[in-house]
Amino acid sequence: NAGVTQTPKFQVLKTGQSMTLQCAQDMNHNSMYWYRQDPGMGLRLIYYSASEGTTDKGEVPNGYNVSRLNKREFSLRLESAAPSQTSVYFCASSFDGQIVSYEQYFGPGTRLTVT
Amino acid sequence: DQQVKQNSPSLSVQEGRISILNCDYTNSMFDYFLWYKKYPAEGPTFLISISSIKDKNEDGRFTVFLNKSAKHLSLHIVPSQPGDSAVYFCAASRRHGEKLTFGTGTRLTIIP
Repeated sequence: NAGVTQTPKFQVLKTGQSMTLQCAQDMNHNSMYWYRQDPGMGLRLIYYSASEGTTDKGEVPNGYNVSRLNKREFSLRLESAAPSQTSVYFCASSFDGQIVSYEQYFGPGTRLTVT
Repeated sequence: DQQVKQNSPSLSVQEGRISILNCDYTNSMFDYFLWYKKYPAEGPTFLISISSIKDKNEDGRFTVFLNKSAKHLSLHIVPSQPGDSAVYFCAASRRHGEKLTFGTGTRLTIIP
């Protein structure tokens, strides 16, 4: 049981390049999330997916796209990377039922530098 | 507009003493509060939570207190241990299961 896994762990991009951050969970969770963490800013929600086939914008969605490929996988794409997207990116998942919801489990993060 | 605030970026506490981490919020619609702990190069891990219908929740050495009228919550760790050295984030949502809003974090250092 690996929990939430993210690839890659580190990435350096040049301005204008594109890349996709991958996330997978093996806990049969229905909800998945992408956050970014910046110094002095805490964790900010980029996008989330409440179920397979649905995605919604979070607090800071500009410059990003997401795909909920299936129940296990939720990817984050930067189409044209900018230095302002230098950050640590975390994927998380949770089980949310109609009556009860559970806490989010986080992956280990991807450290992205855009030069 | 920072709806969840942790005004102390860092805190140092002697091993064995009590650690108190504070968090304030401005959105009166928040109904559910959590604390996460984060070690370097790892993702945050859930520590403890509290619903607004309670004012206290305990789990071993960790206790969270909620003062709704002051829009303030605190995490008490007793006794503090070296393994507690980490960054602690408080988070809030309008109901259990909704999107979380995180604070900026407090780095706790336990001095042996």
